[in-house]
Amino acid sequence: EAGVAQSPRYKIIEKRQSVAFWCNPISGHATLYWYQQILGQGPKLLIQFQNNGVVDDSQLPKDRFSAERLKGVDSTLKIQPAKLEDSAVYLCASSRDRLYEQYFGPGTRLTVT
Amino acid sequence: AQKITQTQPGMFVQEKEAVTLDCTYDTSDPSYGLFWYKQPSSGEMIFLIYQGSYDQQNATEGRYSLNFQKARKSANLVISASQLGDSAMYFCAMREKGSSNTGKLIFGQGTTLQVKP
Repeated sequence: EAGVAQSPRYKIIEKRQSVAFWCNPISGHATLYWYQQILGQGPKLLIQFQNNGVVDDSQLPKDRFSAERLKGVDSTLKIQPAKLEDSAVYLCASSRDRLYEQYFGPGTRLTVT
Repeated sequence: AQKITQTQPGMFVQEKEAVTLDCTYDTSDPSYGLFWYKQPSSGEMIFLIYQGSYDQQNATEGRYSLNFQKARKSANLVISASQLGDSAMYFCAMREKGSSNTGKLIFGQGTTLQVKP
């Protein structure tokens, strides 16, 4: 069974630029999560999808971050415009359903200069 | 209020010895789950072990065991017979069932473990 795929693995941009991350969850997993992990901290949930609907986006900075999960499979997370404090690893995870074990992807390391 | 507290930023252990990583949590939800994840330098979060709030026995998975003390709200991870490959960051996480039932994980700050040869 293939794991959660993410791309790109690394991205360096200047502040005020835009960036997009892509996640392909494990096949058949209904729930998809995007976490932000700042260096030296634990991951923090940004947004959670159940199929293609949003379950929780309470910690998503909606003035600059957006996410979608078209057709309930792949998902993209976008930042526009980026700030220095957005430098972090962005982790995507998926689970069969909400209360099942979450499987994480390798993450995208974003550096904003 | 911080819901998951890991008070040890860094730990050292000698190869083949056991080590305990501390985790305390705070919740008013009677139904919750506690998780431990390992994050090597490659960045991927690897699930290690799970303990449900109603589980009567402490969870074990190979060399990993979870010392669950419900009254003290602690869920310490014990790694027996440490190996060099155990060197990584370890995160404790909690999932409250609650009314929203989202399955969201709340993570602690993490503990860096270094295994010495």
